[in-house]
Amino acid sequence: RKEVEQDPGPFNVPEGATVAFNCTYSNSASQSFFWYRQDCRKEPKLLMSVYSSGNEDGRFTAQLNRASQYISLLIRDSKLSDSATYLCVVNSRGSQGNLIFGKGTKLSVKP
Amino acid sequence: NAGVMQNPRHLVRRRGQEARLRCSPMKGHSHVYWYRQLPEEGLKFMVYLQKENIIDESGMPKERFSAEFPKEGPSILRIQQVVRGDSAAYFCASSPSDRFGSYEQYFGPGTRLTVT
Repeated sequence: RKEVEQDPGPFNVPEGATVAFNCTYSNSASQSFFWYRQDCRKEPKLLMSVYSSGNEDGRFTAQLNRASQYISLLIRDSKLSDSATYLCVVNSRGSQGNLIFGKGTKLSVKP
Repeated sequence: NAGVMQNPRHLVRRRGQEARLRCSPMKGHSHVYWYRQLPEEGLKFMVYLQKENIIDESGMPKERFSAEFPKEGPSILRIQQVVRGDSAAYFCASSPSDRFGSYEQYFGPGTRLTVT
C-alpha cells in the first residue's frame, strides 16, 4: 500500500461548483497533515494544515479521520484560480520533518 | 519578508560534472529540507538539516549526493558525477523552530537540473 494515496483526477468542474478531494495514508503514527497546491512547474504552496477537529479557511475546509486514516479537502464556490494540483501530505514514520507527498489530484475549473 | 530562495533556478550539467544547488531559508527559519521531483512524479524527501547538523538523511542516495547547512551561509545540496537520471526539479523548504505537531514547510521556487 502506498504511504499516501490520492485520486489523480482530473476533476473538471464549472465555476461556482463544490468539489471534494480525498486522501488515505498508511502510517497510523503520523501526526502532521497538510494540503498543498502546486501549479504547473511551480513550487508547492501550503494551503492549510489539517487538525483532528477539522478546520476551515474561507472557501476551503479540511477534515481528518484518524480511525480511517483519511483526509479530505472541500472547496466551495470554485474559482478559475483554484485550477491546480492538490497535494495531500503526511509526516513519515521516522521523522516529523520528513514529509510524504501524495502524487496529487488535478483540478480544472472551467468558466 | 523574503521567502525561501534557491539558486540557480536552472542548471545544465554534462554527465560526470558536479552540481551545486543553494538554498537560503526564510528569515527566522532554522530547519531546511530538500526534496526531489522527477517529471510526472510526486515530491520525494531527501534530507532534513538544521544549522551544522543533518537530522534525517533517509531519502538521500548513498552515493554522489551530500548536503550541508553551515553556520553561516545557505544550505548546499551537492551532486557529484551527475547522470541523466539526476535530471529533476530540486525543491528546498524551510520551517521555523520546533512546534510540536506541526512542521509547516514553505518551499522555494526550485532548481531545475538538466543533465545532458
